Amino acid sequence: GDSVTQMEGPVTLSEEAFLTINCTYTATGYPSLFWYVQYPGEGLQLLLKATKADDKGSNKGFEATYRKETTSFHLEKGSVQVSDSAVYFCALTIDSNYQLIWGAGTKLIIKP
Amino acid sequence: DAGITQSPRHKVTETGTPVTLRCHQTENHRYMYWYRQDPGHGLRLIHYSYGVKDTDKGEVSDGYSVSRSKTEDFLLTLESATSSQTSVYFCAINGGTGGRNTEAFFGQGTRLTVV
Repeated sequence: GDSVTQMEGPVTLSEEAFLTINCTYTATGYPSLFWYVQYPGEGLQLLLKATKADDKGSNKGFEATYRKETTSFHLEKGSVQVSDSAVYFCALTIDSNYQLIWGAGTKLIIKP
Repeated sequence: DAGITQSPRHKVTETGTPVTLRCHQTENHRYMYWYRQDPGHGLRLIHYSYGVKDTDKGEVSDGYSVSRSKTEDFLLTLESATSSQTSVYFCAINGGTGGRNTEAFFGQGTRLTVV
């Protein structure tokens, strides 16, 4: 079945470091791909998305490119801030009912 | 922010008691979902609805039931709560009209503890 695998955390970085969180997927069809972020004590909110191969989603300095050949959607940011500390979820949807298939989440800790 | 409200936000209940969680939306979105979030599992779909009175099971539906009598409300019921149902529950909505570009919006979550 469809699935999403993302790197385990926590990932701990210093402020201004470069961030990569890996995400790969398996899907029987042609999925849309998403990154959601969950700040402490809050619900999830969409960070960025891509709906077709080679699309790049971007928001708040974060980027991810839909790579069909490697079935990947890695999240990157050039210079992280303490305020980026959160849990990041990679997800895909392929179903006509817009159901999301989720990765397990990666906790990101940024130290000043 | 999308108009989606979960109630209660926190609840402690005893094993064997019924519990109902409510999700209320003001966006008139067609699709509504209930997820549970547990450490190491990400989010897992319990049930979803694709219209009034139209619901279907997700991957972890055992022990849960849902009802949607009107567009704005989606209720999740634990018929007889067990300790394994201690979790954080999230409701989500999706308009489903934007094709593959449609995003889901989430409520703030309900932290349920079964003792």
